[in-house]
Amino acid sequence: AQKITQTQPGMFVQEKEAVTLDCTYDTSDPSYGLFWYKQPSSGEMIFLIYQGSYDQQNATEGRYSLNFQKARKSANLVISASQLGDSAMYFCAMREASGSARQLTFGSGTQLTVLP
Amino acid sequence: DSGVTQTPKHLITATGQRVTLRCSPRSGDLSVYWYQQSLDQGLQFLIQYYNGEERAKGNILERFSAQQFPDLHSELNLSSLELGDSALYFCASSEGQQETQYFGPGTRLLVL
Repeated sequence: AQKITQTQPGMFVQEKEAVTLDCTYDTSDPSYGLFWYKQPSSGEMIFLIYQGSYDQQNATEGRYSLNFQKARKSANLVISASQLGDSAMYFCAMREASGSARQLTFGSGTQLTVLP
Repeated sequence: DSGVTQTPKHLITATGQRVTLRCSPRSGDLSVYWYQQSLDQGLQFLIQYYNGEERAKGNILERFSAQQFPDLHSELNLSSLELGDSALYFCASSEGQQETQYFGPGTRLLVL
């Protein structure tokens, strides 16, 4: 089974509007972390935001916020006031705490296009 | 700029050859991770090192190997290259094992 599912291969949003990118995850580990990364066309992976499974509040970083719904196993990224520079591929990722491995498991990504 | 450096940025080689990709983690980071990004497989974890020791292996082929040196830089060796090894190879680093991973700019490998 997929551990991270991003069901939106592509999304369009008008400049200055808000957009939500969906992410659902699957784990039986009670301790885990959820991450969002941005990959512009230049290729680098840029860390955006982190949410721990025990965090009581939803994470926020500037225009980025994470809508964490633990019971639904969802960790959607909300980008407010979209800018043209937000056009990129966005990846949701999870790190499970059990065992010795601390690698990230990534979803397939959502290509966001911001329209002027 | 994440502070993680990778060289070279681009690499073009032929099938059957061997290449070495190099990664320098952020200052103070002890963990290094290697990931492969390809069109068909997406982003996949290959291997992790922590303070010089291998900690976890993912979908890393037998033809691939890696190591982390005492100065904490890491190298990923890819041998007997095949067309399917063409991909973007990322190195990421974190301070320990629980912290956020910061990615380097990647090495784009093209096998002809």
